[in-house]
Amino acid sequence: AQTVTQSQPEMSVQEAETVTLSCTYDTSESDYYLFWYKQPPSRQMILVIRQEAYKQQNATENRFSVNFQKAAKSFSLKISDSQLGDAAMYFCAYRGAQKLVFGQGTRLTINP
Amino acid sequence: SAVISQKPSRDICQRGTSLTIQCQVDSQVTMMFWYRQQPGQSLTLIATANQGSEATYESGFVIDKFPISRPNLTFSTLTVSNMSPEDSSIYLCSVEGGRTPYNEQFFGPGTRLTVL
Repeated sequence: AQTVTQSQPEMSVQEAETVTLSCTYDTSESDYYLFWYKQPPSRQMILVIRQEAYKQQNATENRFSVNFQKAAKSFSLKISDSQLGDAAMYFCAYRGAQKLVFGQGTRLTINP
Repeated sequence: SAVISQKPSRDICQRGTSLTIQCQVDSQVTMMFWYRQQPGQSLTLIATANQGSEATYESGFVIDKFPISRPNLTFSTLTVSNMSPEDSSIYLCSVEGGRTPYNEQFFGPGTRLTVL
């Protein structure tokens, strides 16, 4: 079974600085998708960014970018120019042939 | 992307009672899912709601406890039966297909359930 591991339960960063959230996964599948979701206190799950495993180029969405290392099974999220509104739980997720599997989450705090 | 609503947004229930949560999508979708998020935890898939047939449950979840309906391509319900305090969680529905990009899941706003 696929597993997703987020080794940082909590992270904090100064406003306007850059922070990187780590995620590793375990799979024997060759075709899959990876996602980062954000869950603010409102509890709404918001899709931040997605990466297709067959693409070598790292995905980027405005201030959010990923470092996808397929051989190492690593999928980190970099948030540049952190803003107060970025404060939330961040979940890494894996989607292969079956279900969406989530990591344990990282709580990100933004210090003004 | 699809717009998803859930009712109720929150509820406080007594032990032994049942609660039905509704999930409505503004467009037809292929797949609908129900998740549970216990306090301070990640999301766990309860089941996949199949249109016109029985839901597909994950290990540890059974139909008697969590009956699910999906009468059409835009609507599903999850019932939490014979509730106990351990059922206190956020319950979220999500969707795939239709207007959503391939293999992307979009989530409803969740239902916060407290069982006394």
